Amino acid sequence: AQSVTQLDSHVSVSEGTPVLLRCNYSSSYSPSLFWYVQHPNKGLQLLLKYTSAATLVKGINGFEAEFKKSETSFHLTKPSAHMSDAAEYFCVVSDQNDYKLSFGAGTTVTVRA
Amino acid sequence: NAGVTQTPKFQVLKTGQSMTLQCAQDMNHNSMYWYRQDPGMGLRLIYYSASEGTTDKGEVPNGYNVSRLNKREFSLRLESAAPSQTSVYFCASSELAGIMNTEAFFGQGTRLTVV
Repeated sequence: AQSVTQLDSHVSVSEGTPVLLRCNYSSSYSPSLFWYVQHPNKGLQLLLKYTSAATLVKGINGFEAEFKKSETSFHLTKPSAHMSDAAEYFCVVSDQNDYKLSFGAGTTVTVRA
Repeated sequence: NAGVTQTPKFQVLKTGQSMTLQCAQDMNHNSMYWYRQDPGMGLRLIYYSASEGTTDKGEVPNGYNVSRLNKREFSLRLESAAPSQTSVYFCASSELAGIMNTEAFFGQGTRLTVV
């Protein structure tokens, strides 16, 4: 069975400083990995996805994530936080044995002016 | 470009009432999903449908039923609503690319309160 652990339930950063959101996954087979963002009272929007191509994945709004199989990690980073990045972020895994999407518990990002 | 459309957006039910949440997608996707979102728990899968004519239970199916009416539509029914079903419900759809899942597209959510 597949699963995801987001290591931080809440991250607070100052505007203009880097953001790091940590995600570890468990999967018996080659996984697909995704990061979604949810702004308050909104639906979910895809930030980026990994599906067995390049291990460093670039997404929208300056976010990127690196797939590290040896560490079973898929951490999300952004060099410089913006106020508009305040939202909840979800790491999601799916593998070839089970096409369902499994979500982490989410990380809430706060950006201080 | 509608994507995934859910109705209604908001609903208040009394304990014991029934209702159906509707979901339709216009992207010709095979797979559709119903999730519930509760604070601190991420999104938990209620039911999913890998293709037209099939449905399977997810993590939290108790108290719910689903119908995959056709390729476009996937409805979620609460037969006898309970306060524990107060949540935000999301419908999603995705297509499979070979053996790897592609991204899922989400509706805007239904905020359900059971009193």
